[in-house]
Amino acid sequence: EAQVTQNPRYLITVTGKKLTVTCSQNMNHEYMSWYRQDPGLGLRQIYYSMNVEVTDKGDVPEGYKVSRKEKRNFPLILESPSPNQTSLYFCASSPQTGYTEAFFGQGTRLTVV
Amino acid sequence: AQSVTQLDSHVSVSEGTPVLLRCNYSSSYSPSLFWYVQHPNKGLQLLLKYTSAATLVKGINGFEAEFKKSETSFHLTKPSAHMSDAAEYFCVVSDLETGNQFYFGTGTSLTVIP
Repeated sequence: EAQVTQNPRYLITVTGKKLTVTCSQNMNHEYMSWYRQDPGLGLRQIYYSMNVEVTDKGDVPEGYKVSRKEKRNFPLILESPSPNQTSLYFCASSPQTGYTEAFFGQGTRLTVV
Repeated sequence: AQSVTQLDSHVSVSEGTPVLLRCNYSSSYSPSLFWYVQHPNKGLQLLLKYTSAATLVKGINGFEAEFKKSETSFHLTKPSAHMSDAAEYFCVVSDLETGNQFYFGTGTSLTVIP
């Protein structure tokens, strides 16, 4: 089954404790991205990657890191989480050719206390 | 620059009545436009997409949307609302200039009253 898999689905952590949210897709898509969803703000892009070893900042990259060592994986790293990073996070993938939709993971609800 | 404006943050309809969720976009190039739905505590599901073919696009669950270039609009409609349609709806734009980046509207919460 074609899918984007995020883990974990739920995470509660403390300020400053490094964490990684994993994202994997099995559709051989070139393009992957991370979004955060906050009430009243819709989804805002954090980082994106157009292919292996190619990443770039989205609209809200501060406090986040990503890597793209393999085509299928695109982990999101919070080196020192803060309470303002409490949010619902989505990973997405799509083909690079354009005019196609993005496929989303089920989301990761992160709470930083 | 690309942007999406969803004109209503909340819409309430009675079951069995029509649904209209409004979306306006800006794009320098020929855009691709999408509507996604998010049910409570769920991920995002694609409802329908416009990618420069027919301007009237039919999606899942009886939804459709019409691309109107002159009005830069892509409103979502459904003739008869069902209780299961209660959800958050997002309008999304993408185009070649952005290399397939997706820009989301802020969402419209649809309530269906029995």
